[in-house]
Amino acid sequence: AQKVTQAQTEISVVEKEDVTLDCVYETRDTTYYLFWYKQPPSGELVFLIRRNSFDEQNEISGRYSWNFQKSTSSFNFTITASQVVDSAVYFCALGDNYGQNFVFGPGTRLSVLP
Amino acid sequence: DTAVSQTPKYLVTQMGNDKSIKCEQNLGHDTMYWYKQDSKKFLKIMFSYNNKELIINETVPNRFSPKSPDKAHLNLHINSLELGDSAVYFCASSQVPAGRGNTIYFGEGSWLTVV
Repeated sequence: AQKVTQAQTEISVVEKEDVTLDCVYETRDTTYYLFWYKQPPSGELVFLIRRNSFDEQNEISGRYSWNFQKSTSSFNFTITASQVVDSAVYFCALGDNYGQNFVFGPGTRLSVLP
Repeated sequence: DTAVSQTPKYLVTQMGNDKSIKCEQNLGHDTMYWYKQDSKKFLKIMFSYNNKELIINETVPNRFSPKSPDKAHLNLHINSLELGDSAVYFCASSQVPAGRGNTIYFGEGSWLTVV
């Protein structure tokens, strides 16, 4: 069975600090897909990134970066120079290659204080 | 244009009532979903339809009935509402059943409060 763990329930940082949100996944599949979503206080779920299991290159998008390591089954998300607008709940998710299983982690609530 | 839109956004109703939440996507996707998010923010899939056919039906009380009149619409009807049904319900869609690298896109959520 597929599983996603986000061990950090809540994180608080002060603006301009860097913060890393951890995601550890479990799957027996060799082909799978990892995702991050953001849920700001307004409530909508916003897609941030998708990564397939064969692409271990790290990705950077502005202040956001993602570190995918198959050896540790982790797909961590780092926000550099955090801003108050980054305050949200962040979800990591895992999808299989068959469209049968797509599971979300429990989410990490990030609070960026001014 | 909103890609996945659902109405109403907020719904307050009494126990025992029947209510519906409507969802439409204009992304041309074949697959649509209903997710429930509880007070602890856990997201759990309820149903998934692919080309109007039910493909995922998780353990959900049969008071919940999805209806897909066409592949761009997936409505959720809830009978005999209970206090425990209070949650945020998200409609979503993807090109094909999620996974296979296809991203699920979510609507803005419908906040249901049963009093």
